[in-house]
Amino acid sequence: QKEVEQDPGPLSVPEGAIVSLNCTYSNSAFQYFMWYRQYSRKGPELLMYTYSSGNKEDGRFTAQVDKSSKYISLFIRDSQPSDSATYLCAMSVGGANNLFFGTGTRLTVIP
Amino acid sequence: EADIYQTPRYLVIGTGKKITLECSQTMGHDKMYWYQQDPGMELHLIHYSYGVNSTEKGDLSSESTVSRIRTEHFPLTLESARPSHTSQYLCASSESGRSNEQFFGPGTRLTVL
Repeated sequence: QKEVEQDPGPLSVPEGAIVSLNCTYSNSAFQYFMWYRQYSRKGPELLMYTYSSGNKEDGRFTAQVDKSSKYISLFIRDSQPSDSATYLCAMSVGGANNLFFGTGTRLTVIP
Repeated sequence: EADIYQTPRYLVIGTGKKITLECSQTMGHDKMYWYQQDPGMELHLIHYSYGVNSTEKGDLSSESTVSRIRTEHFPLTLESARPSHTSQYLCASSESGRSNEQFFGPGTRLTVL
């Protein structure tokens, strides 16, 4: 079983839609949760970072962590064509060197 | 401007050649990492370093080697490239501490013919 599971998509939505991206994980020791955005032929860009359970909002982006269900989500409101990218979830145990990544979900926002 | 740089961005090379992928960061980070990324697959850690003269192998076995002589520089070397080494190589860095927020360079796309 993989440490982190992420639906690879692809996911296509119309401009202005609310997008929900999700990951599940198996290791209850994970404490730090991140979302990265990766445009084609670029490196991943850190988008959101949360510690433990709860919500974090940054503009149109909201990250949610539910440790009891081992489930994390990224919501994108009012999606824009510029949001078209692959979104990677990542998580780690505090103080450990390794980030465990999902395979990424490819999102296309259609104008 | 603080950033992380990788060169070359693209490299096409023949089997048996020695190659070095360069990674430099001006973020003042102690930790640096090399990942391999293949289409549809998660990023796999192949090497990491906690500081100068400190290097460790990651989860994914790799025939590459790394060195960390300067804090800002973390090159990756393949002594004899093979087609199985064809992949995207991503360099990242992070501060020392618990959060492990990693910042990535743009990547090097390597093709070995």
